[in-house]
Amino acid sequence: EIVLTQSPGTLSLSPGERATLSCRASQSVGSNYLAWYQQKPGQAPRLLIYGASSRATDIPDRFSGSGSGTDFTLTISRLEPEDFAVYYCQQYGSSPWTFGQGTKVEIK
Amino acid sequence: EVKLVESGGDLVQPGGSLRLSCAASGFTFSSYWMYWVRQAPGKGLVWVSRVNSDGSFTSYADSVRGRFTISRDNAKNMLYLQMNSLRAEDTAVYYCVRGVTMATITPFYHWGQGSLVTVSS
Repeated sequence: EIVLTQSPGTLSLSPGERATLSCRASQSVGSNYLAWYQQKPGQAPRLLIYGASSRATDIPDRFSGSGSGTDFTLTISRLEPEDFAVYYCQQYGSSPWTFGQGTKVEIK
Repeated sequence: EVKLVESGGDLVQPGGSLRLSCAASGFTFSSYWMYWVRQAPGKGLVWVSRVNSDGSFTSYADSVRGRFTISRDNAKNMLYLQMNSLRAEDTAVYYCVRGVTMATITPFYHWGQGSLVTVSS
């Protein structure tokens, strides 16, 4: 099973600032089958990024993903008020599909 | 518009059983793999099970294998999760999920609103 470790656990930032979230895998993620999701309280997760760097439909270009192998990054270039949420990475190339424990982006 | 609507969540005693249902609409249900993902209160996301498009292949997380059974009825556009021998640690919101594409390897794109299962005496 591929274990995903996200850091930091919590990121305290102000609107307009840049957010950098990390996801590290215990073994290489095949073909970069790595996704990022955003989840707000009381809502289902929303797919942001897949294939490590491809934005999902209707996702603003302030969200970008990068990385390969075992190290991946989600960057939010300028935080908007609606971006404060919990973010999860997920690998979907190897069963069982696994998620990271999440990074909470909170308002400073 | 793709819609996934879960139902069947309830309070159940340890050792009990429950069946979750997911009504799908807005797409050709019989063409897609379907998934169940759960989230314990205040915790992260955990993949539970998947089933292929015609229901002939299933797989499960180790934590539920032998206790949970995923199935589907393509004529009714319904996905199910039969949960037996429930434990306190099965308490969670259960999401019905569809991938981006019909491929086996796909991220999760469409999510239902979730159905809460509480296992407690």
